[in-house]
Amino acid sequence: KNQVEQSPQSLIILEGKNCTLQCNYTVSPFSNLRWYKQDTGRGPVSLTIMTFSENTKSNGRYTATLDADTKQSSLHITASQLSDSASYICVVSSDYKLSFGAGTTVTVRA
Amino acid sequence: NAGVTQTPKFRVLKTGQSMTLLCAQDMNHEYMYWYRQDPGMGLRLIHYSVGEGTTAKGEVPDGYNVSRLKKQNFLLGLESAAPSQTSVYFCASTTPLAGGLETQYFGPGTRLLVL
Repeated sequence: KNQVEQSPQSLIILEGKNCTLQCNYTVSPFSNLRWYKQDTGRGPVSLTIMTFSENTKSNGRYTATLDADTKQSSLHITASQLSDSASYICVVSSDYKLSFGAGTTVTVRA
Repeated sequence: NAGVTQTPKFRVLKTGQSMTLLCAQDMNHEYMYWYRQDPGMGLRLIHYSVGEGTTAKGEVPDGYNVSRLKKQNFLLGLESAAPSQTSVYFCASTTPLAGGLETQYFGPGTRLLVL
């Protein structure tokens, strides 16, 4: 069964600090990996999409990495802001089907 | 451009009642999807459509029906609601790209409580 596991389940950081979220997957065959941001009460919004050949992709203060050999990805948030408080969801695409992780809830405190 | 909209935003049903959730998109997307999101779990695909007049089952289709009579609309129906269908429902749409690199655009969600 294709699975996407995210850690930690939640974390709290101070404004201005950095943090890294982890995603491990067993999805096969692999097509691409996405990270979504979901604000409370809203739908997910795409941050990055990475293919097998891409190691790193950035979107402003968000940087995603992918190690297709170990089937791991990370999302790094730099200089966090209060608006970064949200759930971050890792999604792996396989044969045009998407497998969603349960998400990591990030709370940024002033 | 409103993007993807969902109606209603919130609904309370009694067990056995029926209802229809409406999803509309103004981006001329071919593909549309219905997901449910439950605490501690990833989004799960209920049904999807790859074009007007077509529908297909996803991962958790039981208890739901869908219709796509118009390209811009995708309806999700619950014929006889059960407490297990208490969830947040998200609609999404996209246009397919080579290599599966299309971005799905999500609506704001419908929160459903079945008593």
